[in-house]
Amino acid sequence: DIQMTQSPSSLSASVGDRVTISCRASQSIDRYLNWYQQKPGKAPKLLIYAASSLQSGVPSRFSGSGSGTDFTLTISSLQAEDFATYYCQQTYTTPCTFGQGTKLEIK
Amino acid sequence: EVQLVESGGGLIQPGGSLRLSCAASGFTVSNNYMSWVRQAPGKGLEWVSIIYSGGSTYYADSVKGRFTISRDNSKNMLYLQMNSLRAEDTAVYYCAKGGIQLWFPFEYWGQGTLVTVSS
Repeated sequence: DIQMTQSPSSLSASVGDRVTISCRASQSIDRYLNWYQQKPGKAPKLLIYAASSLQSGVPSRFSGSGSGTDFTLTISSLQAEDFATYYCQQTYTTPCTFGQGTKLEIK
Repeated sequence: EVQLVESGGGLIQPGGSLRLSCAASGFTVSNNYMSWVRQAPGKGLEWVSIIYSGGSTYYADSVKGRFTISRDNSKNMLYLQMNSLRAEDTAVYYCAKGGIQLWFPFEYWGQGTLVTVSS
């Protein structure tokens, strides 16, 4: 199975900050990497698919990059509504594993 | 409009069985890769199972042999039959819509249904 490892596990930041979250796959997954945002008590929301494609309706301050084993989610200027938990997921092969999550908190 | 609505969760004793349902609207379940994902209280997301548009099924090792994913094309429904339930199966279970190929992301999710395994 492909293991997905996110870093950091938690992050404190302020409104307006630029934030980067990393995700590493245990083997190459080409560009089949997705990013989700989850708020407490809610279902996950798709932000980025295929490593760098922005899902319709998602603000342009969110961006993704990477290929192979190393990927990054960047939020260019944090807004209050961005404080949430973020997950990466590979859909290169089954099982479609998720990273352990990165909790983004207000500093 | 795409909608996914899960049902069937509840409190069940260890060793018991439960069937979760996911009612889909706005698209055809049988034309898409459909998954179940769970989230234990305070924990991260765990992929559980997938059914391909062609009918092939795959499972996480943690549920293999105990859970069965299926669909009813006439009702546009997705199911998860859960047998031999354990305390560690306690979680919110989400159904999620993929796409026409495996690599498609999980674009739509249901609201989730809570399964609690406890005596």
